[in-house]
Amino acid sequence: DVKVTQSSRYLVKRTGEKVFLECVQDMDHENMFWYRQDPGLGLRLIYFSYDVKMKEKGDIPEGYSVSREKKERFSLILESASTNQTSMYLCASSLGTLGAQPQHFGDGTRLSIL
Amino acid sequence: QQQVKQSPQSLIVQKGGISIINCAYENTAFDYFPWYQQFPGKGPALLIAIRPDVSEKKEGRFTISFNKSAKQFSLHIMDSQPGDSATYFCAASVSLSTNFGNEKLTFGTGTRLTIIP
Repeated sequence: DVKVTQSSRYLVKRTGEKVFLECVQDMDHENMFWYRQDPGLGLRLIYFSYDVKMKEKGDIPEGYSVSREKKERFSLILESASTNQTSMYLCASSLGTLGAQPQHFGDGTRLSIL
Repeated sequence: QQQVKQSPQSLIVQKGGISIINCAYENTAFDYFPWYQQFPGKGPALLIAIRPDVSEKKEGRFTISFNKSAKQFSLHIMDSQPGDSATYFCAASVSLSTNFGNEKLTFGTGTRLTIIP
């Protein structure tokens, strides 16, 4: 079974702090994704990566950056946290072959910015 | 611009009844339509998926119905059980593109389903 592990279930930070959310997958997947989940808005893609050191902006990249130094690890960075970034953050991975592949999600990090 | 519209936002169904969740899309290039199920405290997990070359796909009590001309698809849960209580997301992607980006899923806004005894 694919396992996607997010380092923290709950995180509380202050405005202006630099925040790191970590995600690790154990199935050698090429693709990794960061989403945020908000009530009534569903899942919105922040960034994704299709290879080590490669990244692409998703639908809502403003205020975020990412890092993928190793294939199994994908980090989301909030450069200067703001209260409107309080949300549930979900990491996912998928196999990188052509054709639709299921995305496997972690259990999320609930981030509160005070 | 929301490319996948999902309704209803919440749904209450009696045990043994049929739960129906609907989605509509705008992008005619979409050709892969999965449904994800999310339990409280967990990440979403793939439940069932369909491609537009078929009008229906059934897996156990779960069925996707697809109407290509109307650009609509729906999830039907037959004999709904309390264990089906969860949030359901429809999604869509372009899966056959030769350019990267075909794995990008566009999600609906979710439906919170509650099955009451």
